[in-house]
Amino acid sequence: DAGVTQSPTHLIKTRGQHVTLRCSPISGHKSVSWYQQVLGQGPQFIFQYYEKEERGRGNFPDRFSARQFPNYSSELNVNALLLGDSALYLCASSLGARAEQFFGPGTRLTVL
Amino acid sequence: AQKVTQAQTEISVVEKEDVTLDCVYETRDTTYYLFWYKQPPSGEWVFLIRRNSFDEQNEISGRYSWNFQKSTSSFNFTITASQVVDSAVYFCALNPQSGGSYIPTFGRGTSLIVHP
Repeated sequence: DAGVTQSPTHLIKTRGQHVTLRCSPISGHKSVSWYQQVLGQGPQFIFQYYEKEERGRGNFPDRFSARQFPNYSSELNVNALLLGDSALYLCASSLGARAEQFFGPGTRLTVL
Repeated sequence: AQKVTQAQTEISVVEKEDVTLDCVYETRDTTYYLFWYKQPPSGEWVFLIRRNSFDEQNEISGRYSWNFQKSTSSFNFTITASQVVDSAVYFCALNPQSGGSYIPTFGRGTSLIVHP
């Protein structure tokens, strides 16, 4: 079975632009979580969606938004990009909202 | 507020040594899950263990073992007879088990380097 997939792998944007990151969960997983990871730090939780409803939101500004589609895939949107948004964005899927998570390879976002 | 502390930033050992990775957590929740994950140099995460806060039994899986001490809020991970393939960044994480909102917390990770 395919693991969690994310697209694109790498992305370069300039300040003020908007970005959309995509994630496809493992088949059968209804929960998708998004994390931001900067070098040398652990993942910082951004959002979790379960059965297409937001179940958790981390301490991130309103420029960050997400949604989950009927097929359980998900998008993370970031508006008005700042240099500080440069990071690895990880998507993780799980069977349940509090079950162990399976991480994708991440999308490396660079904001210039 | 939740917090997970992995005080060891980097550990370097020689193959066949035993090594313990520390994890200390803080939470106001009475029920919660604790996790360990491995992130090898390839970047692909590997789930290692999930522990319910009600279950304080230690667990052993091959060369891996986990020591959960609720009294000291610690969930330490020991690798016995380490191997080069164990080289990775290891993350400890905490999830609340109940409540309407879900906000998991990860530690900053411990980088383990196993030399041949």
